[in-house]
Amino acid sequence: DTGVSQNPRHKITKRGQNVTFRCDPISEHNRLYWYRQTLGQGPEFLTYFQNEAQLEKSRLLSDRFSAERPKGSFSTLEIQRTEQGDSAMYLCASSSDSRGKLFFGSGTQLSVL
Amino acid sequence: AQSVTQPDIHITVSEGASLELRCNYSYGATPYLFWYVQSPGQGLQLLLKYFSGDTLVQGIKGFEAEFKRSQSSFNLRKPSVHWSDAAEYFCAGPRANNAGNMLTFGGGTRLMVKP
Repeated sequence: DTGVSQNPRHKITKRGQNVTFRCDPISEHNRLYWYRQTLGQGPEFLTYFQNEAQLEKSRLLSDRFSAERPKGSFSTLEIQRTEQGDSAMYLCASSSDSRGKLFFGSGTQLSVL
Repeated sequence: AQSVTQPDIHITVSEGASLELRCNYSYGATPYLFWYVQSPGQGLQLLLKYFSGDTLVQGIKGFEAEFKRSQSSFNLRKPSVHWSDAAEYFCAGPRANNAGNMLTFGGGTRLMVKP
């Protein structure tokens, strides 16, 4: 197992375009999390899945954002009508229990021009 | 509000010197707390975690942290820093009661190591 994988590593887009990121968690992990990190800040929680169910969404996740985990394995995060303020590193993490070790991917760096 | 704060944005230490990174928390009940490290271009890696019991917690890479309820602190320490420890360090705790791994992170402390 190679850990949590995120694609793409970098994404540059123009304002108003839609983007989609993919996260492949560690295969035996049923819990999956999305965080966002802006320059000079700590990660901020976006959303949480247990298996295919999205159980929690933060207020940061506006209606332009949608996340899915259709078969309880990989997850996608889509941002519609991107804005410059969406520029950030989007981090995915997975875990096998509720208060255990989070395994983070290397993230997708989004730049909105 | 439940939160963790890291008062120091940057810290520079000489290689071989001791290190202490500060983390303060604000929680009603005893929280569970974590320290993560992020190297450039890498994902965050868990250094150590505190849930309950012994207030001195040992982690990977020679790091330890001490939970002090009286000071609302969970400071990270290392007796002798190596150049490879240069990275950004984050303290984290739960966003809310029973939040599991839905964490709130401090702003981070960037550690630079002088040769």
